[in-house]
Amino acid sequence: DADVTQTPRNRITKTGKRIMLECSQTKGHDRMYWYRQDPGLGLRLIYYSFDVKDINKGEISDGYSVSRQAQAKFSLSLESAIPNQTALYFCATSDIIGLAGYNEQFFGPGTRLTVL
Amino acid sequence: DQQVKQNSPSLSVQEGRISILNCDYTNSMFDYFLWYKKYPAEGPTFLISISSIKDKNEDGRFTVFLNKSAKHLSLHIVPSQPGDSAVYFCAAGSQGNLIFGKGTKLSVKP
Repeated sequence: DADVTQTPRNRITKTGKRIMLECSQTKGHDRMYWYRQDPGLGLRLIYYSFDVKDINKGEISDGYSVSRQAQAKFSLSLESAIPNQTALYFCATSDIIGLAGYNEQFFGPGTRLTVL
Repeated sequence: DQQVKQNSPSLSVQEGRISILNCDYTNSMFDYFLWYKKYPAEGPTFLISISSIKDKNEDGRFTVFLNKSAKHLSLHIVPSQPGDSAVYFCAAGSQGNLIFGKGTKLSVKP
């Protein structure tokens, strides 16, 4: 079974609709992240959470909100979807910084969202 | 302004030859660097990393070189294989978060 799962994998919605993307992990990591990928723009951080009570905005948080329901679950919501939010969305998790001095992030398979 | 730059959107290499993917960064506070590989319809997967206190890290066919004075790192794949065809992202980090480059699409031709 995958360590980081995302649902749905594909979603088509209309402008103005509210949509929620969900992420679950079985790695036992405290840290979770939401990214979006656009062609030619790489991965950009939307929100991140270092534990259940800690939520932080990333580079491009406008138009998005998140909820950390439990250590294993981190949801991303688009309150009123717009076409330029059409993108690939990735959830990632990581442990706290270890002896190596860095924290590798583990990514889910992604959600392809299309806003018409 | 981009803190992590991958200036080559694509690279094509013959099977068996060396692939060299480059990455530049602007923030001298980054203290570790990672390379991720991404196949279509999958999430990025970790490939190799290097701490800022080192200048080289090797793992099998993959070697990452770091030149701190030039704020430049590179990923060498030797020998390149068709299965290495993917998008490669460079990422730099400090205190938990990663900043990703835009990626380089590597095509290894048989």
